[in-house]
Amino acid sequence: AQSVTQLDSHVSVSEGTPVLLRCNYSSSYSPSLFWYVQHPNKGLQLLLKYTSAATLVKGINGFEAEFKKSETSFHLTKPSAHMSDAAEYFCVVSEEDTGRRALTFGSGTRLQVQP
Amino acid sequence: EAGVVQSPRYKIIEKKQPVAFWCNPISGHNTLYWYLQNLGQGPELLIRYENEEAVDDSQLPKDRFSAERLKGVDSTLKIQPAELGDSAVYLCASSYRTGLGEQFFGPGTRLTVL
Repeated sequence: AQSVTQLDSHVSVSEGTPVLLRCNYSSSYSPSLFWYVQHPNKGLQLLLKYTSAATLVKGINGFEAEFKKSETSFHLTKPSAHMSDAAEYFCVVSEEDTGRRALTFGSGTRLQVQP
Repeated sequence: EAGVVQSPRYKIIEKKQPVAFWCNPISGHNTLYWYLQNLGQGPELLIRYENEEAVDDSQLPKDRFSAERLKGVDSTLKIQPAELGDSAVYLCASSYRTGLGEQFFGPGTRLTVL
């Protein structure tokens, strides 16, 4: 069975400082991993995805994540936060070898960006 | 290109009443998903369709929830009767195919049961 743990429910940073959102996963097989962002009253949007190619994945809006199998982690980072980055972020895992191929979401991390 | 469309965006009903949500996926997307998102949590899958076939409904509470996708395009999710604990956001998503294909999400329907 697959699962995802987002280690922080809330993260607050100042504009222009780095962002780190932490995610650990559990998977019986080689997983695909995703980060989605959810702005208020808007649909979830894919930021980036890892699918067993390069371990450092670059996404939209300057975000990137590194897949570390030894640590079972997939942390999301951004060098410099912008006010528009304030949103809810979800780490997601998907296994391809099981009958259920839908996504398993973490509980989310709310990112606040202070001016 | 239009995204995933959901209606209504908000619904307030009294407990024991029926309610229905509608979703129109992105044109050409064969796979359609319904998710439930409780406050402060991530979405949880309720049901997945491949064209008109429900291929994963193991998490759908079948005593009160039902869904259909008769022509393999748009879909309806129904709750009858609604309970207080059903208050949540109901999300619809679609993808070109199952697996690694990106899922595109609609804005959701926020249900409040009084």
